[in-house]
Amino acid sequence: QVQLQESGPGLVKPSGTLSLTCAVSGGSISSSNWWSWVRQPPGKGLEWIGEIYHSGNTNYNPSLKSRVTISVDKSKNQFSLKLSSVTAADTAVYYCASLGSSWYNWFDPWGQGTLVTVSS
Amino acid sequence: EVVLTQSPGTLSLSPGERATLSCRASQSVSSSYLAWYQQKPGQAPRLLIYGASSRATGIPDRFSGSGSGTDFTLTISRLEPEDFAVYYCQQYGSSPRTFGQGTKVEIK
Repeated sequence: QVQLQESGPGLVKPSGTLSLTCAVSGGSISSSNWWSWVRQPPGKGLEWIGEIYHSGNTNYNPSLKSRVTISVDKSKNQFSLKLSSVTAADTAVYYCASLGSSWYNWFDPWGQGTLVTVSS
Repeated sequence: EVVLTQSPGTLSLSPGERATLSCRASQSVSSSYLAWYQQKPGQAPRLLIYGASSRATGIPDRFSGSGSGTDFTLTISRLEPEDFAVYYCQQYGSSPRTFGQGTKVEIK
């Protein structure tokens, strides 16, 4: 069973770049899987950020597309999220999740999530 | 973009009662590509239902999903104390993937 674990700075300055990593265990990131990022502002709902296929193909939420980059590091069995030009509105719990082998799939499993606060 | 609207926003019920949660889509959801998640405070969402009506592994049979097209329902037949949480629907038939705003099931 694949397990996911997010890591990265918990505090980012406004106008800076948020960088998070999701470590994959119990399976290979090079398997035919889609990998995704979802975020949740405090007390609010869930928002899909984007996704990457093991080959490197990506899809992003149009609302964030200009600021988001998702990449895969096969040597470390992990994938990453970069969100540039952050503001307080980007403060959220960030989750990584697996979509399995098909694009037409649900999010399962999820990482435990990591809170990122944007503040000076 | 498919907008998902969940109702009600909050459902106040007692243990043992039946809960019926609604998720309505702004356009037809392809091939019933709709999932339901449960989220408890401080935890990641947990998959309950996929394909509108298929229970995920380990999910009790008191949880059931139904619907197609634009109208979907999650039913909890008899609420257990551990079922009080927030529930989200999510469509994965088109991009961008979208979630409903959530329904909170609280103890009455």
